[in-house]
Amino acid sequence: KAGVTQTPRYLIKTRGQQVTLSCSPISGHRSVSWYQQTPGQGLQFLFEYFSETQRNKGNFPGRFSGRQFSNSRSEMNVSTLELGDSALYLCASSLGLPQETQYFGPGTRLLVL
Amino acid sequence: AQSVAQPEDQVNVAEGNPLTVKCTYSVSGNPYLFWYVQYPNRGLQFLLKYITGDNLVKGSYGFEAEFNKSQTSFHLKKPSALVSDSALYFCAVRGPRRGGFKTIFGAGTRLFVKA
Repeated sequence: KAGVTQTPRYLIKTRGQQVTLSCSPISGHRSVSWYQQTPGQGLQFLFEYFSETQRNKGNFPGRFSGRQFSNSRSEMNVSTLELGDSALYLCASSLGLPQETQYFGPGTRLLVL
Repeated sequence: AQSVAQPEDQVNVAEGNPLTVKCTYSVSGNPYLFWYVQYPNRGLQFLLKYITGDNLVKGSYGFEAEFNKSQTSFHLKKPSALVSDSALYFCAVRGPRRGGFKTIFGAGTRLFVKA
């Protein structure tokens, strides 16, 4: 079974631009969660989608948004990029129950100049 | 509020020696506990989890973890470390909260295994 895939793997943007990251979950998984990983803040939860609905949200500004499609694929959008948005963005998928394991993709490394 | 603490930023161990990576947590209700490992420029790989039942959980690559409810700990262990175990290890807790479950990760512990 194919794992979680994320595209693109690397991205360079400038301040003020917007960016869209994509995540394809493991087949059959209906939950997709997004995390931001930085050296200073560690792994921070962004949001979780389940069956096209946002089920949970972390403490990030409204510039960070996401959506999930009927095939469970998810996209994350960051508008008006700031230098501090430079990070590794990780997507994780699971079957959706709280005790289920989340499986992570390789991440998208975003550099904002 | 939910929280996870990994008190050691770094753990150094010689190859062949046992290793322990510590994790303590705070959550209301019964927690679900996870350990993940991250290699450079990679995503997180699942090692093991505790849901219920036996306090000693066995996982991938010879790792195991012991759930201790009274001490609210979930330490990761391995009887004999390998150089290839050198990586960044994350403990995570998933517990009930208003609005649903959310996974909280510890800050991570970097493990160095010396040959």
